[in-house]
Amino acid sequence: GAVVSQHPSRVICKSGTSVKIECRSLDFQATTMFWYRQFPKQSLMLMATSNEGSKATYEQGVEKDKFLINHASLTLSTLTVTSAHPEDSSFYICSAPTGTGGREQYFGPGTRLTVT
Amino acid sequence: QKEVEQNSGPLSVPEGAIASLNCTYSDRVSQSFFWYRQYSGKSPELIMSIYSNGDKEDGRFTAQLNKASQYVSLLIRDSQPSDSATYLCAVNMGRGSQGNLIFGKGTKLSVKP
Repeated sequence: GAVVSQHPSRVICKSGTSVKIECRSLDFQATTMFWYRQFPKQSLMLMATSNEGSKATYEQGVEKDKFLINHASLTLSTLTVTSAHPEDSSFYICSAPTGTGGREQYFGPGTRLTVT
Repeated sequence: QKEVEQNSGPLSVPEGAIASLNCTYSDRVSQSFFWYRQYSGKSPELIMSIYSNGDKEDGRFTAQLNKASQYVSLLIRDSQPSDSATYLCAVNMGRGSQGNLIFGKGTKLSVKP
């Protein structure tokens, strides 16, 4: 399947700092990427849809000023968690659609964020 | 509210048996259905996609879709201990082909040697 990378894979930061997570499509172009969050023993929850060259679309309840998304190129989307707090500690995963009609989504390896 | 329901399990099967995982969805207009496998601490891995009614086989995996019953299932034949993972059912309920996926909470499968 298609390859999506994420960086970093794991980050620990202090409360109040900001963290940037990168998501790259390695062998295809992605005009759209998705950002998910997964808390322990729960399913994936969509946070936002990242659109190349335009503003991201955020799901209800997700603070757009706290979770900044930038999709500056066809292969890179970034998620910045601003002023992180312990409750933001989670597993953040991006995905990109590809395949026939763009219906299949491939996930990056995820970024585990721990805020102390 | 659009939902995808799965039995959370855990589902325990002996090695070599058939594991049967089930999923129902609420949005009748959904067109794309997926099964992902997620090992503990890892991100989901796409293992099957199915778009039309009937069965789709890929190796030891068979996906079954019944749109009238709003039901999709995954069969794993000759289950191996390495198949032990959480299996997520996902349905594309978005607008157009690149709409977002709605995930079930996953079924945890344990294959005993």
